[in-house]
Amino acid sequence: AQRVTQPEKLLSVFKGAPVELKCNYSYSGSPELFWYVQYSRQRLQLLLRHISRESIKGFTADLNKGETSFHLKKPFAQEEDSAMYYCALVTGGGNKLTFGTGTQLKVEL
Amino acid sequence: DTEVTQTPKHLVMGMTNKKSLKCEQHMGHRAMYWYKQKAKKPPELMFVYSYEKLSINESVPSRFSPECPNSSLLNLHLHALQPEDSALYLCASSQDSGGFYEQYFGPGTRLTVT
Repeated sequence: AQRVTQPEKLLSVFKGAPVELKCNYSYSGSPELFWYVQYSRQRLQLLLRHISRESIKGFTADLNKGETSFHLKKPFAQEEDSAMYYCALVTGGGNKLTFGTGTQLKVEL
Repeated sequence: DTEVTQTPKHLVMGMTNKKSLKCEQHMGHRAMYWYKQKAKKPPELMFVYSYEKLSINESVPSRFSPECPNSSLLNLHLHALQPEDSALYLCASSQDSGGFYEQYFGPGTRLTVT
């Protein structure tokens, strides 16, 4: 079955500490993965996608096919990083996105 | 204009009412989506329109009826809803259909069924 797992509902870190938001997937084909983010009182928006291999707002994510993971990382957390983060997998033969359950990141001062 | 707009922001309706949600985008996107999001849960896909034709219906009950009058507009007609249908309804659009394209989300309509 095609599935996205985010094991942490809530992750609290201190400002300046490293951040790692975990995402594991289950998919029989070649996966296409994304991270979407929702800041407080704002709409859901794309943060980054694995095929572009770019860094957005200091965040990076590497696809590890051996471990079926796509963890989101940032070396130094900032207060403005506090948000809900969703990992998403392209499924349905490429026709749709399936979202993980989300991780609420809270960056404390 | 690089936004997806949704109206109304909030809607309260009784189980016998008929109402509609509206979504609009002027980015020239050819795919539009309806998602349902319950509190503290991820968005769940309901419908996908591609080039104004319904391409995916995720086994949504018939009390939800989507409509795509033109490439910029997407409606969701509601009739005889149940209290458990109360949720945030999100509209999204993308350049073309398929999960590979970045989806641009609207702010949502918060629906309460009494």
